[in-house]
Amino acid sequence: GAVVSQHPSRVICKSGTSVKIECRSLDFQATTMFWYRQFPKQSLMLMATSNEGSKATYEQGVEKDKFLINHASLTLSTLTVTSAHPEDSSFYICSARKSPGHIMNTEAFFGQGTRLTVV
Amino acid sequence: GQQLNQSPQSMFIQEGEDVSMNCTSSSIFNTWLWYKQEPGEGPVLLIALYKAGELTSNGRLTAQFGITRKDSFLNISASIPSDVGIYFCAGQGAQKLVFGQGTRLTINP
Repeated sequence: GAVVSQHPSRVICKSGTSVKIECRSLDFQATTMFWYRQFPKQSLMLMATSNEGSKATYEQGVEKDKFLINHASLTLSTLTVTSAHPEDSSFYICSARKSPGHIMNTEAFFGQGTRLTVV
Repeated sequence: GQQLNQSPQSMFIQEGEDVSMNCTSSSIFNTWLWYKQEPGEGPVLLIALYKAGELTSNGRLTAQFGITRKDSFLNISASIPSDVGIYFCAGQGAQKLVFGQGTRLTINP
């Protein structure tokens, strides 16, 4: 199997505070993890690509100082939304790709998503 | 940049009907993936396609990777209420997945 666990599933925070979202690959190693943002009734928008042991690569228009990504191990990546504002409210989803050497290493498996509400 | 055009955007069908949706791209992809997303959840992988022309089934689902590697379709036969959700195609680029806009499937019992 290929299970990706994302935590928390829902979080409500006050404006100006920071929120950390964790993404774990439970039964495989993932050298690459991806963070997406999804607005209602829209497709997934890639925010950044996270490689284990190196700096994340951010997509154009995504503020790296606002969305801090850490990928310290082959099974864990974190996204921290710093100084959150109501416009940061969204559904955030991570995915993990199996490390090279796995048969299906090109497939990405997704976490359950995190619904962030900033009040 | 790379884009996928997925159609239709939404479908309203009767239970038991067959469903067909497709994706086209201006770019070639080496892997096509089909995902289903239910409300409040992350996408779940349904079918992965690795070779041009490949036809793959997963239960009542069948998907094909176009021979030009620029398109793919997904068929669902004999739809049931639990098929409701949003279906996304995705093309695997060198590093990233490129997603279609999604097809929202609604089933009337």
